[in-house]
Amino acid sequence: GAVVSQHPSRVICKSGTSVKIECRSLDFQATTMFWYRQFPKKSLMLMATSNEGSKATYEQGVEKDKFLINHASLTLSTLTVTSAHPEDSSFYICSASWGLAGGVADTQYFGPGTRLTVL
Amino acid sequence: AQKVTQAQTEISVVEKEDVTLDCVYETRDTTYYLFWYKQPPSGELVFLIRRNSFDEQNEISGRYSWNFQKSTSSFNFTITASQVVDSAVYFCALSEPLGQNFVFGPGTRLSVLP
Repeated sequence: GAVVSQHPSRVICKSGTSVKIECRSLDFQATTMFWYRQFPKKSLMLMATSNEGSKATYEQGVEKDKFLINHASLTLSTLTVTSAHPEDSSFYICSASWGLAGGVADTQYFGPGTRLTVL
Repeated sequence: AQKVTQAQTEISVVEKEDVTLDCVYETRDTTYYLFWYKQPPSGELVFLIRRNSFDEQNEISGRYSWNFQKSTSSFNFTITASQVVDSAVYFCALSEPLGQNFVFGPGTRLSVLP
């Protein structure tokens, strides 16, 4: 159980184009999805948190207009990197969790990641 | 602010050796959750354990064991009789009760040599 998929797993694009990455929870309904960025040999950096049906909450320093996040359903969130540039090249990882009544902390289950290369 | 420190950047052991990965955390919350994740070379993070701040019992799962000590704000992870497949980056993480402010440590790269 608790499987999260990401698509595509790898994408190469030209500078200036937009890229959409999908994150799906396959066997559970995710009330909250998270998007992370990971640089080589570094830890994960949280970019934003999104709850189904509401606007994403972005971490400080993350450009909202650059990284568009949509959480349209309880099983799907998308991250669109708009007007991508070489410095946006990175490993993007999503995670999903489900909430329990009473506010118990949720374990995050991670997708396999998407490696973006912007030429 | 919450913070997680994993002082060991890289560790190399020979197969069948035991190895302990250290994790020290900082938080002002009295209720919080601690996690360990494994990131093999494929990149996908694998959930290993979640522990809440009120449960200081040590946990054992096969070759894995965790030692949670609130007095020293540590949540260390031990792999017994390590295997080559254990080679990965291991992340310790901390979150507030509702899952907010999920913070990862910098990770420890474990290499198990045959």
